[in-house]
Amino acid sequence: GAVVSQHPSRVICKSGTSVKIECRSLDFQATTMFWYRQFPKQSLMLMATSNEGSKATYEQGVEKDKFLINHASLTLSTLTVTSAHPEDSSFYICSARTQQGASEKLFFGSGTQLSVL
Amino acid sequence: DAKTTQPTSMDCAEGRAANLPCNHSTISGNEYVYWYRQIHSQGPQYIIHGLKNNETNEMASLIITEDRKSSTLILPHATLRDTAVYYCIVRFRDNYGQNFVFGPGTRLSVLP
Repeated sequence: GAVVSQHPSRVICKSGTSVKIECRSLDFQATTMFWYRQFPKQSLMLMATSNEGSKATYEQGVEKDKFLINHASLTLSTLTVTSAHPEDSSFYICSARTQQGASEKLFFGSGTQLSVL
Repeated sequence: DAKTTQPTSMDCAEGRAANLPCNHSTISGNEYVYWYRQIHSQGPQYIIHGLKNNETNEMASLIITEDRKSSTLILPHATLRDTAVYYCIVRFRDNYGQNFVFGPGTRLSVLP
């Protein structure tokens, strides 16, 4: 299947700093990528939809000025958590959509565990 | 996209078949059934999807009832590495660019 690479896998930072997470589609082009957040023992919650060459669409309750998304190319989307605070500690996961004929699939990165001290 | 209902958790003995049910009684004709799984601290992994016919690949089989109101994911010979949360998702075929909505899923524990 298609490969989505996400880095870093784990990051620990001090409160007030910014953290950038990269999501790359390695063997396909993705016009649409999704960013999720997952708290312990909970399911994935969509944060935003990232579209190449245009502004991201944020879900209700997600602060766009805090979670900056850039999708500058068909293979790379980045999520920057600005001025991180302990409550931003979570597992962040990206995904990219592929389409082959009538078959559509989402492939996911391996996730980034963010711990804000 | 239609809502799905799955059992919260299931156990399966190693080497036996794991049958994970999913109810999607409000599914419409153009909605596909997708299965993903998430092993602890990893991103979800695509398993299989189908529309009407039963499907099989190297990972699993998907059995969809004739009325399409329910389906079963079958892992034919479960191993300890199949322990994960399994998500059943229904999604419109032409819902391009829209999110896949993840419910709570079924936590499968494969026991030695």
